[in-house]
Amino acid sequence: KQEVTQIPAALSVPEGENLVLNCSFTDSAIYNLQWFRQDPGKGLTSLLLIQSSQREQTSGRLNASLDKSSGRSTLYIAASQPGDSATYLCAVRDSGYSTLTFGKGTMLLVSP
Amino acid sequence: DAGVIQSPRHEVTEMGQEVTLRCKPISGHNSLFWYRQTMMRGLELLIYFNNNVPIDDSGMPEDRFSAKMPNASFSTLKIQPSEPRDSAVYFCASSLPTGPNEKLFFGSGTQLSVL
Repeated sequence: KQEVTQIPAALSVPEGENLVLNCSFTDSAIYNLQWFRQDPGKGLTSLLLIQSSQREQTSGRLNASLDKSSGRSTLYIAASQPGDSATYLCAVRDSGYSTLTFGKGTMLLVSP
Repeated sequence: DAGVIQSPRHEVTEMGQEVTLRCKPISGHNSLFWYRQTMMRGLELLIYFNNNVPIDDSGMPEDRFSAKMPNASFSTLKIQPSEPRDSAVYFCASSLPTGPNEKLFFGSGTQLSVL
């Protein structure tokens, strides 16, 4: 059974710092991997999706990488801003017929 | 596009009462998912539908939980009778299967408190 782990559980940084969020998964035979953002009291918003054949995806200040062989993905946030404060969740899909398995998330606080 | 719409946003009820959560998926999406989120267990998939048919309900915790999707634009999750341990945020999500680029779109959730 696929398990997804996110480290750290919480992170606090000053504005302007570059930071990395980590996600690891136990079964490397994945179909795709998604990073989501969740604001307090809100639902999840998809940020980036990496297919199993891809190594990374970029959107603005966000860059997500995927290393299937080691069962890891990272979300890199450049020049962090207070508006980036949220919980970031990683989710893995094992096949075209399966559903997403989520990590518990990293709660990020960016202070001005 | 209105997104996935859930109601109510908040529900407070007493133990033993019936609770019904509602979801309207994004128009055109034919997969619908119900998730439960708690601090201890994170996000758990309860059940998902494809073309209104339940495909996998292995995440439904027990017989007190039931879900229906009578048509492509509406789904309900019912808990009867409710218990305090059911307190959580319940999310509905929908998607359009498009292969490896399929993305999931979430509603804002229903915060359920069972006293």
